Amino acid sequence: AQTVTQSQPEMSVQEAETVTLSCTYDTSESNYYLFWYKQPPSRQMILVIRQEAYKQQNATENRFSVNFQKAAKSFSLKISDSQLGDTAMYFCAFLDSGAGSYQLTFGKGTKLSVIP
Amino acid sequence: NAGVMQNPRHLVRRRGQEARLRCSPMKGHSHVYWYRQLPEEGLKFMVYLQKENIIDESGMPKERFSAEFPKEGPSILRIQQVVRGDSAAYFCASSPRLPQSSYEQYFGPGTRLTVT
Repeated sequence: AQTVTQSQPEMSVQEAETVTLSCTYDTSESNYYLFWYKQPPSRQMILVIRQEAYKQQNATENRFSVNFQKAAKSFSLKISDSQLGDTAMYFCAFLDSGAGSYQLTFGKGTKLSVIP
Repeated sequence: NAGVMQNPRHLVRRRGQEARLRCSPMKGHSHVYWYRQLPEEGLKFMVYLQKENIIDESGMPKERFSAEFPKEGPSILRIQQVVRGDSAAYFCASSPRLPQSSYEQYFGPGTRLTVT
């Protein structure tokens, strides 16, 4: 079974600064996808960024980018120019694309606070 | 294009009653997933359904919980004889007929179940 670990329960960052959220995972599979989801106080789950394991290039979406280290099974999220609206819970998630089930396995989350 | 719809948003039940949670996937999506989020936890997979079929129910408790996704109408997650431990947020997600295209799951706003 796959596991996802987020070792930082809470983090804070000054507005306009950069912050990195950590995520490690454990799997024996070779074909998989990794995601970062954001859950603001409204509790709506919002997809932030996606990474395919077979791609070496790190995914980027505007101010959000990942550092994907496949050998180390690490998938960190970098948020640049942090904004107050980035305040939320952030969840790292894993999907085994070869299993046929497509279920997401989530970490426990990191609570990010952006300080004005 | 409307997003994933869930209702009710909040549901209060007394111990022993039944809870019925509804999920309407995004238009054109025929795959539905249910997840449960306990307080201070990440989301945990419960069940994956396609129209009229349960594909993977490995995350469902063996008793009292059932799910369906009929040919017409929304997907239903049913919890019989609720207990206090069932209090949680229940999220539904949907994906297109061919999830292989991106493996992205689009989440609804969740139903918060409180058992008194």
